[in-house]
Amino acid sequence: DSGVTQTPKHLITATGQRVTLRCSPRSGDLSVYWYQQSLDQGLQFLIQYYNGEERAKGNILERFSAQQFPDLHSELNLSSLELGDSALYFCASSKGLAEINEQFFGPGTRLTVL
Amino acid sequence: DAKTTQPTSMDCAEGRAANLPCNHSTISGNEYVYWYRQIHSQGPQYIIHGLKNNETNEMASLIITEDRKSSTLILPHATLRDTAVYYCIVRVEGNTGKLIFGQGTTLQVKP
Repeated sequence: DSGVTQTPKHLITATGQRVTLRCSPRSGDLSVYWYQQSLDQGLQFLIQYYNGEERAKGNILERFSAQQFPDLHSELNLSSLELGDSALYFCASSKGLAEINEQFFGPGTRLTVL
Repeated sequence: DAKTTQPTSMDCAEGRAANLPCNHSTISGNEYVYWYRQIHSQGPQYIIHGLKNNETNEMASLIITEDRKSSTLILPHATLRDTAVYYCIVRVEGNTGKLIFGQGTTLQVKP
């Protein structure tokens, strides 16, 4: 158990819909990262938040947005869903912004778009 | 961040050492080498990291060549539970902690 929690575990929805994925980082960790893992693209970095502020962006689609709240939990919002958005979405956390240490990953949310 | 190259797959006998290579020939002086693994579809798990010197922890050893252009992750006594995809990543301590994953090496530990 990494200490990072993600809800829901599974999500099945239809094309065109909007969903919200939730992540609670480990206690004391200020950075939250979102990653997407699909069969054809592998594990891809989406976005990083540090203490409520966006700090780095990867290949995140404009239909996707995220935020980190004052209690440090984070939400990833995916809208106008397409079949290709079906993937595992992982959240990770670390203590600081960019220092050399480990990231702790949650168990992931499996999104299926039908 | 520098690019890494890893073999697509490897086999190892249970109880033997598993040696997973990684090439990172364009690594710069301030880039660290990290190893993570992903068992089935679980969240990736940190294993070890290093800059220049060899490193060891309770999970594995990391051997970095003197020119830093390649490294080897060693699992000293592989078990069936070590079957996973192993990712070698290089990153610099900068203004973000993002990890850029490649395709990794699928290690199959066989009885």
